[in-house]
Amino acid sequence: ETGVTQTPRHLVMGMTNKKSLKCEQHLGHNAMYWYKQSAKKPLELMFVYSLEERVENNSVPSRFSPECPNSSHLFLHLHTLQPEDSALYLCASSQEVGSTEAFFGQGTRLTVV
Amino acid sequence: AQSVTQLGSHVSVSEGALVLLRCNYSSSVPPYLFWYVQYPNQGLQLLLKYTSAATLVKGINGFEAEFKKSETSFHLTKPSAHMSDAAEYFCAVSVRGGKLIFGQGTELSVKP
Repeated sequence: ETGVTQTPRHLVMGMTNKKSLKCEQHLGHNAMYWYKQSAKKPLELMFVYSLEERVENNSVPSRFSPECPNSSHLFLHLHTLQPEDSALYLCASSQEVGSTEAFFGQGTRLTVV
Repeated sequence: AQSVTQLGSHVSVSEGALVLLRCNYSSSVPPYLFWYVQYPNQGLQLLLKYTSAATLVKGINGFEAEFKKSETSFHLTKPSAHMSDAAEYFCAVSVRGGKLIFGQGTELSVKP
């Protein structure tokens, strides 16, 4: 149990669908992150939130839309995705942005068909 | 800016043999360094971290890593591999107040 829970664990969606990924942390952390993990590529940091405010957006296409309603919850809303968006999406949290340790969820395996 | 390079995308060792996974970093300011492990279909789990205290860092599952500033390295070792060590290992670097930058990962296979 890492304290960071992601749902669903697996998701298959069509290119015209709209779906959302959910992340919840029970660690009292103030920073939350979305990472994309594609095969044979380094982890890509997508978004960073600090106390519900987005502090970083790394040139992510607008078909990915994050939402952080409070410091414990983070969503990634998906719409009109492409097959190349298929990947493992990892959520992480840390005490503050730049803290020396981040805790990761188990990820959502997304397949776009 | 910081960066990290892991040498070898795949390492294979025999059970009981030494495990050595290589990581070199680049940073203009004192870095924090990390090794994470990822088992199949799982998230990343912290193995160990260096945050400017002792240069030899011991982590979970018998792993350790040594920070060598002169070589800009932070290699991960374990004296004797176990089948359960088979996983993907990620080296990462950050600085105070900065974000984690990951290497591309090294897949470790352990042969019986």
